[in-house]
Amino acid sequence: QVQLQESGPGLVKPSGTLSLTCAVSGGSISSTNWWSWVRQPPGKGLEWIGEIYHSGSTNYNPSLKSRVTISVDKSNNQFSLKLNSVTAADTAVYYCARAGSYIDYWGQGTLVTVSS
Amino acid sequence: DIQMTQSPSSLSASVGDRVTITCRASQSISNYLNWYQQKPGKAPKLLIYAASSLQSGVPSRFSGSGSGTDFTLTISSLQPEDFATYYCQQSFSTSRTFGQGTKVEIK
Repeated sequence: QVQLQESGPGLVKPSGTLSLTCAVSGGSISSTNWWSWVRQPPGKGLEWIGEIYHSGSTNYNPSLKSRVTISVDKSNNQFSLKLNSVTAADTAVYYCARAGSYIDYWGQGTLVTVSS
Repeated sequence: DIQMTQSPSSLSASVGDRVTITCRASQSISNYLNWYQQKPGKAPKLLIYAASSLQSGVPSRFSGSGSGTDFTLTISSLQPEDFATYYCQQSFSTSRTFGQGTKVEIK
């Protein structure tokens, strides 16, 4: 059973960089899957952020592409999200997930608040 | 970007009702359409993938259909545990997008 766990600061200052890591257990990050980030602002819908393959290939949401970097750490079986120049609009629950043609495993989500 | 539009945005229904939710893509996505269920405070759960394939462990009262631009999720007999928000997602393009969600509430 694959499990994913997000970790990182719950509070980020405006104009700063949001950094989250997703630890994968019960499966290898080098498997034939993509690894994704999805976010959900409080009371709103789901927004796909981007995804990475273990080779390092990435796909990003065009609306966030200029601010987002997703990277993979195969030695530690984890992947990471960096979102720079954050504003209050980036306040959301951030989920990591195992993807591909569909998302079948999700982390529990972590709330990141952008505030001074 | 491919836009996904769900209708309705919310609906009220009773236990035992047949419920249908629609998802429309802004361009053809073949059958690259998935459905998720989300309950408050929880991560989404995959219900249907590839438009009509039932994910393992999901009750058979859930079904999906459609191809091209128009898709439906049907719950044949609504159960108390089905009150939740449902999202469609396209995986045709490398920029995956979700619909805005449909909240199913108790009448």
